[in-house]
Amino acid sequence: DQQVKQNSPSLSVQEGRISILNCDYTNSMFDYFLWYKKYPAEGPTFLISISSIKDKNEDGRFTVFLNKSAKHLSLHIVPSQPGDSAVYFCAASARGAAGNKLTFGGGTRVLVKP
Amino acid sequence: DGGITQSPKYLFRKEGQNVTLSCEQNLNHDAMYWYRQDPGQGLRLIYYSQIVNDFQKGDIAEGYSVSREKKESFPLTVTSAQKNPTAFYLCASKLSGRQPILFGQGTRLTVV
Repeated sequence: DQQVKQNSPSLSVQEGRISILNCDYTNSMFDYFLWYKKYPAEGPTFLISISSIKDKNEDGRFTVFLNKSAKHLSLHIVPSQPGDSAVYFCAASARGAAGNKLTFGGGTRVLVKP
Repeated sequence: DGGITQSPKYLFRKEGQNVTLSCEQNLNHDAMYWYRQDPGQGLRLIYYSQIVNDFQKGDIAEGYSVSREKKESFPLTVTSAQKNPTAFYLCASKLSGRQPILFGQGTRLTVV
């Protein structure tokens, strides 16, 4: 039972344009959400997070939007750069979950074309 | 430099052999985690530890064992009971509370 889903396995975008990555979740207890970026054969790096008390969080070129009623979050990257080509994972945790452990989606591979 | 060190980066083992993956962190983080990534899939939690001398099973703990004798170290042993051990293994850690977990560079284990 996948509690966090990234339904688009891949995304291709032109350099300078916006990349929009989507993530859906089913567990209504999730209240903290994160996005990670991963290059091949490397560990994921943390990008941005959002708490359920907010609906938007921004950090430079990265903005995360949270729609609690739809159980949906998205990551916007503007403008997209070739170095953004990577796999992006969304993750979620529930308050009180043992170890504050994260549940990850399956990832979306982004290719930014020069 | 503070960080999470996993070694080795690549590891080959024969089927039926146990193998131990190393993970060390100098961030003074309380919690440590082991995740597994398979091709085209997300990260799945194997084990985690919130304090020294205590650890809990994650979603796919069968065939694995861990120890947490020191705050900075959380080694993972892949035993011969693990049916599909070939994967990319990621160690992570974080401070207590709602903080993002930080990952090491990973160990690619191939069992032949």
